[in-house]
Amino acid sequence: DGGITQSPKYLFRKEGQNVTLSCEQNLNHDAMYWYRQDPGQGLRLIYYSQIVNDFQKGDIAEGYSVSREKKESFPLTVTSAQKNPTAFYLCASSSRQGEYNEQFFGPGTRLTVL
Amino acid sequence: GENVEQHPSTLSVQEGDSAVIKCTYSDSASNYFPWYKQELGKRPQLIIDIRSNVGEKKDQRIAVTLNKTAKHFSLHITETQPEDSAVYFCAPKHGGTRGSYIPTFGRGTSLIVHP
Repeated sequence: DGGITQSPKYLFRKEGQNVTLSCEQNLNHDAMYWYRQDPGQGLRLIYYSQIVNDFQKGDIAEGYSVSREKKESFPLTVTSAQKNPTAFYLCASSSRQGEYNEQFFGPGTRLTVL
Repeated sequence: GENVEQHPSTLSVQEGDSAVIKCTYSDSASNYFPWYKQELGKRPQLIIDIRSNVGEKKDQRIAVTLNKTAKHFSLHITETQPEDSAVYFCAPKHGGTRGSYIPTFGRGTSLIVHP
């Protein structure tokens, strides 16, 4: 299961705290993504980055922030402004080479707000 | 943006039966049509994909068919087995040579295969 990793696997947060989820890939992919998964909701895009030092908001970016200082890393911060952060978070990456680019997913981080 | 719908949301079959999941999309420029499988507690993984210049693709017990005119594509699983039990997502995308266009995921179909 190498290629793209996420840590931690489980994360508990108290209300009012910011937390940062890690995502690292060694696939040499330019594009990276963060998704939130809730039961029955599918995968909803939070942020994505197609190149180092550039990122764009997805459909549900409010209350989240990201950075892309290195090609291999795309950390996600869940801020206290996110009203309902308890969810399963998936990071993904894809190549920008060619037209048809599947997404490779990390194992996910399950965040619970206490 | 792309509007994607999957049907059914839940599908329950007996082992050995066939299963069909349908995905409809709105962006006529979409030209890449993958299906991902997510087993309980695990990450989604690509199981099969099809490009817009092909109408059907098979890989052992799974197949994908595409109807670009009607803007839908379907996942077919024959001779289902308990290990096929998972959530399946479609994610149509407009692929481009200049970069990685963003896929839109369907809400998922939970397939349950009863032994």
